[in-house]
Amino acid sequence: DQQVKQNSPSLSVQEGRISILNCDYTNSMFDYFLWYKKYPAEGPTFLISISSIKDKNEDGRFTVFLNKSAKHLSLHIVPSQPGDSAVYFCAASALGNQFYFGTGTSLTVIP
Amino acid sequence: DAGVIQSPRHEVTEMGQEVTLRCKPISGHDYLFWYRQTMMRGLELLIYFNNNVPIDDSGMPEDRFSAKMPNASFSTLKIQPSEPRDSAVYFCASSPSWRGSNEQYFGPGTRLTVT
Repeated sequence: DQQVKQNSPSLSVQEGRISILNCDYTNSMFDYFLWYKKYPAEGPTFLISISSIKDKNEDGRFTVFLNKSAKHLSLHIVPSQPGDSAVYFCAASALGNQFYFGTGTSLTVIP
Repeated sequence: DAGVIQSPRHEVTEMGQEVTLRCKPISGHDYLFWYRQTMMRGLELLIYFNNNVPIDDSGMPEDRFSAKMPNASFSTLKIQPSEPRDSAVYFCASSPSWRGSNEQYFGPGTRLTVT
């Protein structure tokens, strides 16, 4: 049973526009969330994280929003660049235990 | 540091054969994780080690899967016998400390194809 869901397998965005990647989770005990970025033939690399005590965390062009009541988080990329084209995974953990990953969203930024 | 190293990068084998995947974590990292990536289930944690000791192997799908970490710089994931449904990308990751709030560093993965 998937505890972390990324319902959009793919997303295409024009360069310069905003990319919004969504993630839903079912376990209300999750208290820490991360986004990973994966290029083809490479392993995922850490992008940004957020603790459940916050509802927003920003790092340059990347912002993660957390809506605990809706059990939803999103990653915003502004402005989107062609180099952002990759697969994005969200992950969640509860109380320091293992991470549960979503199935990923493939982002294509069109020049 | 060279990062997490995995070998081989690609493995093609026939059903019933034994497959061994290898991983060298980043030096000084106490935690090592094995994941499997499939389209349907995303990244699934198979097993993780702390200081070379297996802590949680509840994600290992069947007895055909086994993992070892004989020392701090080497781990193997073995599938015996392999089946076509084992075809996936297998990632190894390591972390310097891990309480659910530290990032993990992933290797490039091994793409396994079982025919």
